[in-house]
Amino acid sequence: AQSVSQHNHHVILSEAASLELGCNYSYGGTVNLFWYVQYPGQHLQLLLKYFSGDPLVKGIKGFEAEFIKSKFSFNLRKPSVQWSDTAEYFCAFNTNAGKSTFGDGTTLTVKP
Amino acid sequence: DAGVTQSPTHLIKTRGQQVTLRCSPKSGHDTVSWYQQALGQGPQFIFQYYEEEERQRGNFPDRFSGHQFPNYSSELNVNALLLGDSALYLCASSYTGTANSPLHFGNGTRLTVT
Repeated sequence: AQSVSQHNHHVILSEAASLELGCNYSYGGTVNLFWYVQYPGQHLQLLLKYFSGDPLVKGIKGFEAEFIKSKFSFNLRKPSVQWSDTAEYFCAFNTNAGKSTFGDGTTLTVKP
Repeated sequence: DAGVTQSPTHLIKTRGQQVTLRCSPKSGHDTVSWYQQALGQGPQFIFQYYEEEERQRGNFPDRFSGHQFPNYSSELNVNALLLGDSALYLCASSYTGTANSPLHFGNGTRLTVT
């Protein structure tokens, strides 16, 4: 069965701390990988995506993620978080068939 | 501006009733997907519509049905509501013509079944 596991349900950091959110997926074939973010009071929106090529992808607001195929992982990183990064982060994948599978999300709280 | 609009924002129904949720996709998008998000969980795929047909379906009972109109807008219908149907229902649109098009989400409809 297709699934996504996000290791941390809630992460609390101080401003300027580094961030890494874990994501592992379960699927036997080729996938497209995504991180979506939901800021307080807003809709889910795309943070970054990986389809092919360089496994290190960069997204908006200084976020990046690395696809490690052998580990079925797609971890999200940011060197220095800001208070405005407080949000819920969802890892997801789809196949070319179209259905997207999401993890349960990680709530990030950044203390000023 | 989400681009994807959903209505209504909130809805309260009684067990056994039927409900219809509506979605207008982002301009230029032709594919609509529906997701159910329970509290503390990620979105769960219900089904996807393209060219007015259900293209793919998740593990949801037949009580959940949908429709897509010629203008690409979509409806989600749920019959014989159960308490467990209480959730946030998200509509997401995408463009089939772009390979691996990411999803654009609406703000959702919060359904409460009492």
